Amino acid sequence: AQSVTQLDSHVSVSEGTPVLLRCNYSSSYSPSLFWYVQHPNKGLQLLLKYTSAATLVKGINGFEAEFKKSETSFHLTKPSAHMSDAAEYFCVVSDGGTASKLTFGTGTRLQVTL
Amino acid sequence: GAGVSQSPSNKVTEKGKDVELRCDPISGHTALYWYRQSLGQGLEFLIYFQGNSAPDKSGLPSDRFSAERTGGSVSTLTIQRTQQEDSAVYLCASSRGTYNEQFFGPGTRLTVL
Repeated sequence: AQSVTQLDSHVSVSEGTPVLLRCNYSSSYSPSLFWYVQHPNKGLQLLLKYTSAATLVKGINGFEAEFKKSETSFHLTKPSAHMSDAAEYFCVVSDGGTASKLTFGTGTRLQVTL
Repeated sequence: GAGVSQSPSNKVTEKGKDVELRCDPISGHTALYWYRQSLGQGLEFLIYFQGNSAPDKSGLPSDRFSAERTGGSVSTLTIQRTQQEDSAVYLCASSRGTYNEQFFGPGTRLTVL
């Protein structure tokens, strides 16, 4: 069975400061890991994905994530937050062993303040 | 090009009624997924279609839920005898194939009174 744990349900940062959203995963297989973002009243959008290539993955809008097998972590970071980054972020795992149905974390709501 | 579309965007129904939710995937995408997003359960997988293969129904919560995909394109999720706990946002996604990025539609918000 696969699962992801998002350690923070809510994160608040000031505009221009770094963002860190934490995610730990559990998977029986070599996992594929994703971060999706959901802006209010908008659909889910893929930020970035890890599929066993480079462990440091760069995504859209300046976000990146590092796959650390020893720590079973896939934390999402951004050097400098922007007001438009305020949204719900989901860490997602797919073990690839059974099609690619996605298992979502519970989400982290990112608030960006002036 | 056009993304995944879903209709209706909002649906309010009475307990015990049947509802149908529609998903139009991106043209050429062979895989189609349904997910449900609710306050109590978060985002959970419901069902998956890939080409002409038998669908993976392992995520359907009860036999009141069913889905079909006609002609390998449009899909309909049907909920019979709706219950209040069925209230959620139902999301559809499609991808080129099983291991490709899933593109999500805007969802259908279902409210069961």
